[in-house]
Amino acid sequence: GAVVSQHPSWVICKSGTSVKIECRSLDFQATTMFWYRQFPKQSLMLMATSNEGSKATYEQGVEKDKFLINHASLTLSTLTVTSAHPEDSSFYICSAPGGVRDVYGYTFGSGTRLTVV
Amino acid sequence: DAKTTQPTSMDCAEGRAANLPCNHSTISGNEYVYWYRQIHSQGPQYIIHGLKNNETNEMASLIITEDRKSSTLILPHATLRDTAVYYCIVRVGLGGATNKLIFGTGTLLAVQP
Repeated sequence: GAVVSQHPSWVICKSGTSVKIECRSLDFQATTMFWYRQFPKQSLMLMATSNEGSKATYEQGVEKDKFLINHASLTLSTLTVTSAHPEDSSFYICSAPGGVRDVYGYTFGSGTRLTVV
Repeated sequence: DAKTTQPTSMDCAEGRAANLPCNHSTISGNEYVYWYRQIHSQGPQYIIHGLKNNETNEMASLIITEDRKSSTLILPHATLRDTAVYYCIVRVGLGGATNKLIFGTGTLLAVQP
């Protein structure tokens, strides 16, 4: 089946540093990927839509200068949390349209747990 | 996209059918009903989707009322591994780049031994 690979699965970083999260579609092309953030015991919140070859589209209230998104190829999107602070600690998840057997669904990565200390 | 309403939590005995309801009273004619689930600390997993006809696959069945204002996801024989948060999502279209998924609060299904 189709797979979206997300790396790393967890990361601990010091406050003020930057962290990059990668999201790859392994056996299908994704011109668009979506990035979500999830705090404990809460639902997924859409942060931004990543577009291959163009700028990402951010949801209202999401700081584009803090959460840098680059969609460098048809199979890779990256999210960089810049100058991370403890309040950025969260579970980050990416997804891509297509890849599900009926091609109408979305495939999700396994998520990245970020802890900023 | 139309808003959905789901119970916060439900219990189900192992081996029994789990019936998860979802209200989507403001659904439009071109909006589909999708179900995903999220097992703790994992990415969401696609379960099933439908427009107006009932659907069944190897994981579950989806029953959509005739007026399409509500639906029920049925797991025919729940196992402990089905314990997860189940999300009902209504959205336009058949996938594609512009059709982002917006998650509600979902239902925490706890399957009891």
